[in-house]
Amino acid sequence: SQKIEQNSEALNIQEGKTATLTCNYTNYSPAYLQWYRQDPGRGPVFLLLIRENEKEKRKERLKVTFDTTLKQSLFHITASQPADSATYLCALGGGGSQGNLIFGKGTKLSVKP
Amino acid sequence: ETGVTQTPRHLVMGMTNKKSLKCEQHLGHNAMYWYKQSAKKPLELMFVYNFKEQTENNSVPSRFSPECPNSSHLFLHLHTLQPEDSALYLCASSQDLWAQVPYFGPGTRLTVT
Repeated sequence: SQKIEQNSEALNIQEGKTATLTCNYTNYSPAYLQWYRQDPGRGPVFLLLIRENEKEKRKERLKVTFDTTLKQSLFHITASQPADSATYLCALGGGGSQGNLIFGKGTKLSVKP
Repeated sequence: ETGVTQTPRHLVMGMTNKKSLKCEQHLGHNAMYWYKQSAKKPLELMFVYNFKEQTENNSVPSRFSPECPNSSHLFLHLHTLQPEDSALYLCASSQDLWAQVPYFGPGTRLTVT
């Protein structure tokens, strides 16, 4: 069955460092991969989408890589700030109906001052 | 959270109660979704509506009954729920079924006692 794993439930880092979150998947061939941010008691907010034919995508301090051979995406936040503390979700899409989005459990990032 | 609203934000109900969750989107989208997010589990897609027509029901128990009177409003009617149904229920919308990015509401935190 399709499976998504985000490297850890929680990640603690120091302010100013680069946070790296991992998303691995099996038994799936996504057309694209997405990353979301979710704050406590809130719905997920879309951050970035990367397609299967793209290796890297950047948006301000965020960078996403996508390796379809390794079946892995890395999500980086450079110069992290306490305000970056949140849960980050990855999601895979196979194209067609959006209902095909499959989410990971998320990684809770805590950035300490 | 902007554009998709959900009420109530918090709900406590007994197993014999009947209640309804409401979702409204102000984005002019044509597709709407219900997701369930339980602690330490990934988001689970429950129902999909496109132009008011239900296009997907992911084997959801009949104690959850969706209703979509128009493209802007979505309801989830609840009756005789179980404690394991306690979760965050998220509504989302997208331009259409092929749009790759859903916009999520803030969710309703449901506790079944």
